[in-house]
Amino acid sequence: GDSVTQMEGPVTLSEEAFLTINCTYTATGYPSLFWYVQYPGEGLQLLLKATKADDKGSNKGFEATYRKETTSFHLEKGSVQVSDSAVYFCALSSLTGGGNKLTFGTGTQLKVEL
Amino acid sequence: KAGVTQTPRYLIKTRGQQVTLSCSPISGHRSVSWYQQTPGQGLQFLFEYFSETQRNKGNFPGRFSGRQFSNSRSEMNVSTLELGDSALYLCASRPTGGSQETQYFGPGTRLLVL
Repeated sequence: GDSVTQMEGPVTLSEEAFLTINCTYTATGYPSLFWYVQYPGEGLQLLLKATKADDKGSNKGFEATYRKETTSFHLEKGSVQVSDSAVYFCALSSLTGGGNKLTFGTGTQLKVEL
Repeated sequence: KAGVTQTPRYLIKTRGQQVTLSCSPISGHRSVSWYQQTPGQGLQFLFEYFSETQRNKGNFPGRFSGRQFSNSRSEMNVSTLELGDSALYLCASRPTGGSQETQYFGPGTRLLVL
């Protein structure tokens, strides 16, 4: 079945450091790929998405490129801020049964310190 | 537009009881999905409804059920609660349920089973 593998956290960085969170996936067909972020006590917010190979999703300084050849969708940001501290989830959307669903990675907790 | 709303936000129940959670999607969205989030299992798909029909179901026991009304609002029910059902239950909506569509999440209902 479909699966998403994320790098283990927590990840602790100093403010203005470069961020990479690795994400690889296994899926049949051509899934859409997403990064969601979860702040403490809240639901999930979409950070960015890509729906086909070589697409680059970007938002708020975060970027991720859909790499079909390496089945990856790594999240990057050039300069993190304390306000970026949260849990980040990589996910894919795939057809299953009569509809489709999101399959999530385990999440990576990011802590940014001054 | 108002976002996805879920009620109640917090709930405490005892083993053996049943519980009903409610979700109101973004106006115009016809697809509603439910997810369970626990520290041990992460985010897992429960089911998806579209136009009052369940079109997709995750790997959960029959104690977990749901329905969708003609106004797209959805409810999920858990009968005979077990301690392991303690979790954050997230609802997400999207316009038609296409795999490329973003799922917009509500803040969740946190259920504690004692």
